[in-house]
Amino acid sequence: AQTVTQSQPEMSVQEAETVTLSCTYDTSESDYYLFWYKQPPSRQMILVIRQEAYKQQNATENRFSVNFQKAAKSFSLKISDSQLGDAAMYFCAYKETSGSRLTFGEGTQLTVNP
Amino acid sequence: DAGVIQSPRHEVTEMGQEVTLRCKPISGHDYLFWYRQTMMRGLELLIYFNNNVPIDDSGMPEDRFSAKMPNASFSTLKIQPSEPRDSAVYFCASSFSHLGSPLHFGNGTRLTVT
Repeated sequence: AQTVTQSQPEMSVQEAETVTLSCTYDTSESDYYLFWYKQPPSRQMILVIRQEAYKQQNATENRFSVNFQKAAKSFSLKISDSQLGDAAMYFCAYKETSGSRLTFGEGTQLTVNP
Repeated sequence: DAGVIQSPRHEVTEMGQEVTLRCKPISGHDYLFWYRQTMMRGLELLIYFNNNVPIDDSGMPEDRFSAKMPNASFSTLKIQPSEPRDSAVYFCASSFSHLGSPLHFGNGTRLTVT
């Protein structure tokens, strides 16, 4: 079974600075999808960014970008120019192409300090 | 697009009572998922449906849990009888069948069983 590991239970960053959240996964598949979701205190799960494994180019969405290292099975999220509203729990998730379910990591709680 | 709608937002009940959680997926989505979130176990997939048919219920904890999807716009998750260890946030999510389609989550139901 696929597993997703987020080794940083908590991270903090100063407002306007850059922070990187780590994620590794284990799979025997060659094609799959990876996602980062954000869960603010309102508890809603919000999609931040998506990466397709067969695309070598790293996905970018405004201040959010990923560093996808397929051989290393690593999928980190970089948040640039951090804002107070970025404070949330961040979940890395894996989706195999042969199925539809998402497997989530344990989450990283991000604090943004003013 | 109203998003995935869950009700109720909060539910407090006594041990032994029946609990029914409700979900309306995004119109046009043909996959529906029920997840449970706890501090100890993180986000767990309980069951998912494709075109109203249950595909995988291996995550359902025990026979006290049941889920139905009578039509494309409505699903329920029922716990009977409820126990204190069922206390958690229950999320419903939906997606298109396209392989890279992300899951769209509802706001969740926080269940407290006393």
